[in-house]
Amino acid sequence: EVQLLESGGGLVQPGGSLRLSCGASGFIFSDYAMGWVRQAPGKGLEWVSAIRGSADKTFYADSVKGRFTISRDNSKNTVYLQMDSLRVEDTAVYYCAKVGYCGGGSCRRLEYWGQGTLVTVSS
Amino acid sequence: QSALTQPASVSGSPGQSITISCTGTSTDVGRYNYVSWYQQHPGGAPKLIIYDVTNRPSGISNRFSGSKSGNRASLTISGLQAEDEADYYCSSYTSSTPLEVFGGGTKLTVL
Repeated sequence: EVQLLESGGGLVQPGGSLRLSCGASGFIFSDYAMGWVRQAPGKGLEWVSAIRGSADKTFYADSVKGRFTISRDNSKNTVYLQMDSLRVEDTAVYYCAKVGYCGGGSCRRLEYWGQGTLVTVSS
Repeated sequence: QSALTQPASVSGSPGQSITISCTGTSTDVGRYNYVSWYQQHPGGAPKLIIYDVTNRPSGISNRFSGSKSGNRASLTISGLQAEDEADYYCSSYTSSTPLEVFGGGTKLTVL
């Protein structure tokens, strides 16, 4: 059974930083791309970042490019999202997801999702 | 404003069928057969229920089906059940960005 468990959310001031973690189990972690998707309170979904299984390529939404960094440690079955220069509009539940396909230039299909971790950016 | 357009809400009675539309453009829904649908119950995480327009992941009821015509994709739920009450999101591969874009979501109410 695929399980994804996010951690690291919390309250941070505008301009601050936070690092999210997502531990995975139930599949061969290094064989699959992983992604982060966020959902602002009462709003829809936005895919913010993804990383291929070998970590040779990363992808970002324009809204977070240059501020967020995705990485992974395949020895620990864990994917991370380093979030810097946080803004009020980054406030959201952040979901970790197992990605179905990530080619050379794009990713698609979010096969399994974690339960999410809440990030609140406020002064 | 979301990249894909969905109705804000739909409703139906138990046993009925409903259809949720997802309208995109010629650079996403109309160009690629890579439309997915996700179900999200209140307070829960999204769950993949349809991928590549028509395919169901293992364990998903065959009451859920997907289709596409031109720039418009659709999710049909037949034999509506109370447990189907949830938010539904479509997503599509797009030539504009490296990550899929989502619709704004549709709230399904089972009357």
